[in-house]
Amino acid sequence: QLVESGGDLVQPGGSLRLSCEASDFTFGTYWMSWVRQAPGKGLEWVATIKQVEINERGYVDSVKGRFTISRDNARKSLFLQMDSLRADDTAIYYCVSHYGESAIEQHAFDVWGQGAKVTVSS
Amino acid sequence: QSALTQPPSASGSPGQSVTISCTGTNMNIGDYDFVSWYQQHPDKAPQLVIYEVSRRSSGVPDRFSGSKSGNTASLTVSGLRPEDEADYYCSSYAGTNSWVFGGGTKLTVL
Repeated sequence: QLVESGGDLVQPGGSLRLSCEASDFTFGTYWMSWVRQAPGKGLEWVATIKQVEINERGYVDSVKGRFTISRDNARKSLFLQMDSLRADDTAIYYCVSHYGESAIEQHAFDVWGQGAKVTVSS
Repeated sequence: QSALTQPPSASGSPGQSVTISCTGTNMNIGDYDFVSWYQQHPDKAPQLVIYEVSRRSSGVPDRFSGSKSGNTASLTVSGLRPEDEADYYCSSYAGTNSWVFGGGTKLTVL
């Protein structure tokens, strides 16, 4: 239901744009996030964007000012623009849709994509 | 945005019960009933197991249960089965549109 693309090998200081295309659900009604996992490490929340009408976003401190999350509901797509990339950004990036018992409180990371591999190295 | 604290490993024999703890602060687990648990098998994407402290995700057997007391949440797996062997992660809402994960617990079924 969620398919990421755009992962690649990039040099430190470079940029990359990840995309995620959704199918089989009403994309526009769900909060969407990016969660990453460095090699051999645990999960780390990266960024979240709420519904367009709410227009709220959140970022982990380590990517603030460098990464931008956005969405295009017409295309059922989620994006992550990553600038000024560093070696410690190397990870698998998962596109995730949220869920909650209330549409205004969606705090569970519900449906996960297969992940996009990003490697930052010279 | 400090990570939640989980034990690195846990184990149990088939049929037994095991409980995994997840300790946070009064700025995340202690302040919100938005704790979730995820199961991740090797080289697979994580799967939601428990959300909002104790609600089971669709298709998750009732052998899995969640609870919370103060700043600590817990996941209990009863009647352990070989397929339960995996990494388990907790997460919590931390306010102001931010979330935090635990470091993960590797569950071994002996």
